[in-house]
Amino acid sequence: DSGVTQTPKHLITATGQRVTLRCSPRSGDLSVYWYQQSLDQGLQFLIQYYNGEERAKGNILERFSAQQFPDLHSELNLSSLELGDSALYFCASSVLAAGGETQYFGPGTRLLVL
Amino acid sequence: ELKVEQNPLFLSMQEGKNYTIYCNYSTTSDRLYWYRQDPGKSLESLFVLLSNGAVKQEGRLMASLDTKARLSTLHITAAVHDLSATYFCAVDGVGTYKYIFGTGTRLKVLA
Repeated sequence: DSGVTQTPKHLITATGQRVTLRCSPRSGDLSVYWYQQSLDQGLQFLIQYYNGEERAKGNILERFSAQQFPDLHSELNLSSLELGDSALYFCASSVLAAGGETQYFGPGTRLLVL
Repeated sequence: ELKVEQNPLFLSMQEGKNYTIYCNYSTTSDRLYWYRQDPGKSLESLFVLLSNGAVKQEGRLMASLDTKARLSTLHITAAVHDLSATYFCAVDGVGTYKYIFGTGTRLKVLA
């Protein structure tokens, strides 16, 4: 158990809908990262937050957004969902944001868009 | 654009044998990460390599980094079945903090 929690574990929804994925980092970790894993695209870095501020942005679609709240939990919002958004979404956390740190991954949320 | 290539993509090996997984990346970076993923599970961080010549070992796995060659290796010594998993390397571009993953190497260790 990494200490990172994600909810929900599974999510089934329809095209055009909007969903919110939630991540709670390990106690004491200030950075949260979001990743997408799919058969087509492999593992992709989406976005990183550090202590409430956006730190780095990767291949995140404009339909997707994220935020980190004062209690350090983070949410990833996916809107206008398409079939291709079906994937496993992981969050990870680390203590700082300087790079070169060990990241601890949550169990993931499996999203299926029908 | 930073690209990360791993080879082989698939590796089937006998228990007790040694093998190496290679990770090449295309632009300057001095931070290289190795992860393990079991089927249907999340990622587990194995190694973080932060400088040229860095070498880290944990059990039967040893990772090294050559930043001049833009190459990292993950060496498996005397493989056992429990090492069967998919191994990913990742790099973050200098100053960008954007993580790019390799395609993964699916390792199967046969008894």
